[in-house]
Amino acid sequence: GAGVSQSPSNKVTEKGKDVELRCDPISGHTALYWYRQSLGQGLEFLIYFQGNSAPDKSGLPSDRFSAERTGGSVSTLTIQRTQQEDSAVYLCASSLSPTPSTDTQYFGPGTRLTVL
Amino acid sequence: AQSVTQLGSHVSVSEGALVLLRCNYSSSVPPYLFWYVQYPNQGLQLLLKYTSAATLVKGINGFEAEFKKSETSFHLTKPSAHMSDAAEYFCAVIRYGQNFVFGPGTRLSVLP
Repeated sequence: GAGVSQSPSNKVTEKGKDVELRCDPISGHTALYWYRQSLGQGLEFLIYFQGNSAPDKSGLPSDRFSAERTGGSVSTLTIQRTQQEDSAVYLCASSLSPTPSTDTQYFGPGTRLTVL
Repeated sequence: AQSVTQLGSHVSVSEGALVLLRCNYSSSVPPYLFWYVQYPNQGLQLLLKYTSAATLVKGINGFEAEFKKSETSFHLTKPSAHMSDAAEYFCAVIRYGQNFVFGPGTRLSVLP
């Protein structure tokens, strides 16, 4: 079946503008994750959605970042008043299990965000 | 808090040579451990995972990793490197009920 998809694949924006990044998880997967991968660095956890429970937002770097997941499926990551340090690849992943203990996360191809 | 270290941000091997990518974790309780691979301009793909069953885990593309509790290590190996193995490799650790923590990654180059 289809994997995790993300759109857009590339986004160039000006400093101060808002951006929305979209993630379509694998159908039936209850858990959804957002990560940020900055140049030369590993993956930084941002937010985790588990079924209908309140999301774990502990990784969001500032209040300019927010995310929602509608209908337990598609998720949107919003960055308000973008800054140049927000430039990175934003990766989305989903997994079948509602607990992140052993379940494999399937990653999308990412959205490369460039803030000028 | 748990953490993951990967010794060597860049590793170069000759085609046909042994691949060894190092991963050490810090955790008071043995966690679950994963290796992911990221090919250029692609998302991450699971190579293998350790979930407290056999300590030697075999993954895709001929890779395997051994969990050594005494050394808090989960090094990734492959007996013979292929050009197609050139990619970035990430070790990740998770404990039950918590979120993934990824290492900084190791870029593997395979020389002809």
